[in-house]
Amino acid sequence: DIQMTQSPSSLSASVGDRVTISCRASQSISTLLAWYQQKPGKAPKLLIYKASSLESGVPSRFSGSGSGTEFTLTISSLQPDDFATYYCQHYNAYTWTFGQGTKVEIK
Amino acid sequence: QVQLVESGGGVVQPGRSLRLSCAASGFTFSSYGMHWVRQAPGKGLEWVAGIWHDGRDTYHADSVKGRFTISRDNSRNTLYLQMNSLRAEDTAVYHCAKDSRYCTNDVCPFDYWGQGTLVTVSS
Repeated sequence: DIQMTQSPSSLSASVGDRVTISCRASQSISTLLAWYQQKPGKAPKLLIYKASSLESGVPSRFSGSGSGTEFTLTISSLQPDDFATYYCQHYNAYTWTFGQGTKVEIK
Repeated sequence: QVQLVESGGGVVQPGRSLRLSCAASGFTFSSYGMHWVRQAPGKGLEWVAGIWHDGRDTYHADSVKGRFTISRDNSRNTLYLQMNSLRAEDTAVYHCAKDSRYCTNDVCPFDYWGQGTLVTVSS
């Protein structure tokens, strides 16, 4: 089974900072990767699919990159609404595997 | 707008059964695969089960295989999760989620999620 490992597990940042979250797959997954944002008590929200495609309605400060085993979610200028937990997800061969999450907190 | 509303959660003793439902609206339910994803208290997301748009194929995580069964009724726009032989480690919020249209090889990320229903397994 493919394992997804995110780093860091949490980070503290200020409004306006550039934030980068990493996701590593235990074997190559091409670009079959999505990113989600989840706020406390809320349902997850799709941000990025196919590693780098932005979901409709998601602000352009969010971007995704990578292929194979190394992936990155970047928030170019952190906004107050962006403090949340972020998950990567691999999807392929009728399995869907999430990373353990990265919590972005206010510094 | 798309709405997914889960129900059926509650407190149940270990070894007992529970059936969750997810009522869907705002899209053509019979055209999309659907899933259950759970989140234990303070923990991350775990995919539990998925089902094709027509119910022809189903998929279950190893952690629930043989105990949980996903199904759907397209005439009622409703997704189900039958949970048998429940264990303490099944305690979680259970979300239903809809396949997006961004699929590769018939496998898709999820574009809409419900708020979830809490299942607590405890004696």
